[in-house]
Amino acid sequence: AQSVTQLGSHVSVSEGALVLLRCNYSSSVPPYLFWYVQYPNQGLQLLLKYTSAATLVKGINGFEAEFKKSETSFHLTKPSAHMSDAAEYFCAVSDALSGGYQKVTFGTGTKLQVIP
Amino acid sequence: DTAVSQTPKYLVTQMGNDKSIKCEQNLGHDTMYWYKQDSKKFLKIMFSYNNKELIINETVPNRFSPKSPDKAHLNLHINSLELGDSAVYFCASSQDDRLAATDTQYFGPGTRLTVL
Repeated sequence: AQSVTQLGSHVSVSEGALVLLRCNYSSSVPPYLFWYVQYPNQGLQLLLKYTSAATLVKGINGFEAEFKKSETSFHLTKPSAHMSDAAEYFCAVSDALSGGYQKVTFGTGTKLQVIP
Repeated sequence: DTAVSQTPKYLVTQMGNDKSIKCEQNLGHDTMYWYKQDSKKFLKIMFSYNNKELIINETVPNRFSPKSPDKAHLNLHINSLELGDSAVYFCASSQDDRLAATDTQYFGPGTRLTVL
């Protein structure tokens, strides 16, 4: 089964500093990878996804992630953190089930704190 | 305008009671999901339905019974509630694209269930 591992359950950055959230995957086939964000007391929303087209994927709110097969990684970055980026971030991998359906497995999440 | 809605937002109940959570999506999606998020923010798939047909049924106690009256609704009924059922339950939906494994999932705001 495919899985993702997020390194660091909490990450703190200063406002304006680089954001780097780490995600490594385990998969026997080319994976489909996602980053979702959860703001306090809300549901998850998609930041970006890798679908085997371009290895550098740009998402919403200035976030991007690079798929690196040699490192089995899909780290999320943003050049300059804003206070509004404070949230929980989830890396996820998607399995294609028989019949063409989807099953998503989420990582354990990384809480991003932005310090003014 | 709400894409995926859930009711109620909060649910506090006693052990042994039976309760239901309702979910509706107005996105015209074919597939709907229930996830459980525990106190450590770990998010795990419970069920998924495609056009009223059960697709995913993870190792969930049979006290949990999903019901999909039509493809826009997926309700979750829980019998004989236990303390360990306390969590946030998220409903989500996705549209079957050409390749379902790349689908984006759209999440509801969550239902916080507290069992006393």
